[in-house]
Amino acid sequence: DQQVKQNSPSLSVQEGRISILNCDYTNSMFDYFLWYKKYPAEGPTFLISISSIKDKNEDGRFTVFLNKSAKHLSLHIVPSQPGDSAVYFCAASASTGNQFYFGTGTSLTVIP
Amino acid sequence: ETGVTQTPRHLVMGMTNKKSLKCEQHLGHNAMYWYKQSAKKPLELMFVYNFKEQTENNSVPSRFSPECPNSSHLFLHLHTLQPEDSALYLCASSQARTDSYGYTFGSGTRLTVV
Repeated sequence: DQQVKQNSPSLSVQEGRISILNCDYTNSMFDYFLWYKKYPAEGPTFLISISSIKDKNEDGRFTVFLNKSAKHLSLHIVPSQPGDSAVYFCAASASTGNQFYFGTGTSLTVIP
Repeated sequence: ETGVTQTPRHLVMGMTNKKSLKCEQHLGHNAMYWYKQSAKKPLELMFVYNFKEQTENNSVPSRFSPECPNSSHLFLHLHTLQPEDSALYLCASSQARTDSYGYTFGSGTRLTVV
């Protein structure tokens, strides 16, 4: 059973606009969440994280929002740039656990 | 060299072949992982090594055999694979399990079983 879900396999956004990528999880024990970015022929790279004690974390153009009651997190990219075109994975872990669980990824295309 | 390096980048093998995937990290990390990425599926954790000791084996078939001779090197030995084993195999490392900065991934080995 998939514990982390990214229901949108792809997303296209115009350059300069906001990109919103969504992620849902089922395990209420998850308390740490990450977003990874993956370019073709490269491994995923860490982008931004958030712990359950916060509901928002911002790093430059990237902001992650966490809604614990809905078991939902989202990644906002604003303004979107063509170089942001990649596959984005969300991942979750529990402090009592020993691994991260990954979603299936969302492929973002930013159109110039 | 820095980061996590995986070789080969691409591998095509027959079902009766034996091959090995190699992973090397020069980050001083203590934990290393093998993940499998199949199309339209989440990254699947296969094996975890912590301080060279295998701590996780997520019900992986015995045709996949990991080896961790030291904290910098990790191998995945393959034998009598099936076509459905074709996937991207990613190696990752971290300072500790569930490191707060997540994992550092290699670029992966694209495996095709024919």
